[in-house]
Amino acid sequence: EPEVTQTPSHQVTQMGQEVILRCVPISNHLYFYWYRQILGQKVEFLVSFYNNEISEKSEIFDDQFSVERPDGSNFTLKIRSTKLEDSAMYFCASSETGPDYGYTFGSGTRLTVV
Amino acid sequence: DQQVKQNSPSLSVQEGRISILNCDYTNSMFDYFLWYKKYPAEGPTFLISISSIKDKNEDGRFTVFLNKSAKHLSLHIVPSQPGDSAVYFCAAGEYGNKLVFGAGTILRVKS
Repeated sequence: EPEVTQTPSHQVTQMGQEVILRCVPISNHLYFYWYRQILGQKVEFLVSFYNNEISEKSEIFDDQFSVERPDGSNFTLKIRSTKLEDSAMYFCASSETGPDYGYTFGSGTRLTVV
Repeated sequence: DQQVKQNSPSLSVQEGRISILNCDYTNSMFDYFLWYKKYPAEGPTFLISISSIKDKNEDGRFTVFLNKSAKHLSLHIVPSQPGDSAVYFCAAGEYGNKLVFGAGTILRVKS
């Protein structure tokens, strides 16, 4: 069964450093998403991406965050200057037709900012 | 942001019995609703969805019921199996891109 692949599974970084979280969505999917889950809290929407541009973003997704689809297969989330409160599980997801028929999520990257 | 609420943090059910997971929402603009299951160290897995024009959708052992007037939906799993033990998230969205997730309910199915 096709799956969304995320790397690395765990990333530890110093506060203030830049991190790039990588995702390979399912190949025929057109919609791409990043969500995060801070430990013990809800899964929160960060950003959606379609047709090579951001289609929607949350208030969490400030100027420190950016997304890119650099080569037609990868979908990356960059955090420019990490803060302690960025520590969370970051989930990438993709869908063929939009969210109403369900996303396929990756298994997540655990980001720990120290 | 409390647009989607799952008020029961956990539920324990005997194997073979029915599991009923509940979800309430406040935003009347939501057009579709979904349930996801999540095992530890994995991402959420899509289970079943329902659009706002329906009141019931069934897929095997999983049935989702939507009561729009009460802004309430529920997921029924019957019969429950030990492998169903996981965290279940309710999610909702307007026709657009993002989903709003509830906080999740931990389901434990005892054998």
